[in-house]
Amino acid sequence: QKEVEQNSGPLSVPEGAIASLNCTYSDRGSQSFFWYRQYSGKSPELIMFIYSNGDKEDGRFTAQLNKASQYVSLLIRDSQPSDSATYLCAVDPLAFSGGYNKLIFGAGTRLAVHP
Amino acid sequence: SAVISQKPSRDICQRGTSLTIQCQVDSQVTMMFWYRQQPGQSLTLIATANQGSEATYESGFVIDKFPISRPNLTFSTLTVSNMSPEDSSIYLCSVEFGREAFFGQGTRLTVV
Repeated sequence: QKEVEQNSGPLSVPEGAIASLNCTYSDRGSQSFFWYRQYSGKSPELIMFIYSNGDKEDGRFTAQLNKASQYVSLLIRDSQPSDSATYLCAVDPLAFSGGYNKLIFGAGTRLAVHP
Repeated sequence: SAVISQKPSRDICQRGTSLTIQCQVDSQVTMMFWYRQQPGQSLTLIATANQGSEATYESGFVIDKFPISRPNLTFSTLTVSNMSPEDSSIYLCSVEFGREAFFGQGTRLTVV
């Protein structure tokens, strides 16, 4: 059974702080990793994807991947109240080449940014 | 990117009845995906619908309970059959462009 694990939270951080969201996965052969944000009552929207070990930065967001430890994280700098949402980690256990994204989602971490 | 229209957005249904959810995409896509998100839980893939062939169901989901149609490259339906309260959930359709999955607005189903 392929699994993606996340701490359900809530993770509470003050406005302006760095929020750190973590995710571990069980399938060592996984190749593609995604972070989705889901506001209450809304559908998920993609924030970032990462395929290679190391860091990937996009604005206030940084995704970090460590395949040896089977660990992926999302850092949100200068957190804003509008960042308050559930963050879903998703893993594609198939190599992208020749396949489509068949995503396995974690349960999500609820982030609360307070003023 | 893709714009996905899903309907109904919500419904309250009697147990034992069936509900068909529709998903319309503004572009042609090969694969369409149906997910379920139970209260407080994450998304679970129900099945993958490929135009012109039978849908592929994930472990724990069967065609008799969740029949899927895929008549063309922009449209799909998911039927939740013989519903019970345990089927109360959000159902989402999804398509993939490049490496990004796009989701419909979801159908919030309550079975009473």
